[in-house]
Amino acid sequence: AQSVAQPEDQVNVAEGNPLTVKCTYSVSGNPYLFWYVQYPNRGLQFLLKYITGDNLVKGSYGFEAEFNKSQTSFHLKKPSALVSDSALYFCAVRVNSGGYQKVTFGIGTKLQVIP
Amino acid sequence: EPEVTQTPSHQVTQMGQEVILRCVPISNHLYFYWYRQILGQKVEFLVSFYNNEISEKSEIFDDQFSVERPDGSNFTLKIRSTKLEDSAMYFCASTQSLSGSSYNEQFFGPGTRLTVL
Repeated sequence: AQSVAQPEDQVNVAEGNPLTVKCTYSVSGNPYLFWYVQYPNRGLQFLLKYITGDNLVKGSYGFEAEFNKSQTSFHLKKPSALVSDSALYFCAVRVNSGGYQKVTFGIGTKLQVIP
Repeated sequence: EPEVTQTPSHQVTQMGQEVILRCVPISNHLYFYWYRQILGQKVEFLVSFYNNEISEKSEIFDDQFSVERPDGSNFTLKIRSTKLEDSAMYFCASTQSLSGSSYNEQFFGPGTRLTVL
């Protein structure tokens, strides 16, 4: 079984400050890890992914995430938050073992960037 | 930039009625998925589809649900007899590849909000 935990329901950060949205995962095997963002009344937009290679991956809109195998974490980060980053962020995992594996999502973390 | 599209954006139906939610995946994608998100809850996997057959389904995807790719472009989700608890946002997704390549993330459509009265 695979699962994702996003321990914070909401993260508040001041505009211009660095932000971190936490994610830990559990899988049997090597993971594919993803971050998606959902703006109000919109679908899910892909931000970035970790497949293999460098532990620090860079994605859209200046976001990056660091894969930490020992801590089974994949925290989303951005050096300087914008008000427009306010949205719902979902971490997701899929087992890297081929086949038609579904993506399992976390419950989501609401990011509120305060002007 | 190619994108997944879904119609309608909002569907209101009476309990017990059949609904069909439609999706047009990205044209060169091979793997298709339906997810749902009950208001305020996380996104849940329903079913995956490849080569004209279901490859995996969750416990949510019971006999009331079915999927079809009728014409090589559309990918539909049918709920035969809707229940109140089927009210949710339904997302279609597609991916080009499953292997460790550059093309394995799932691209999601904007969703169809289903309201069952």
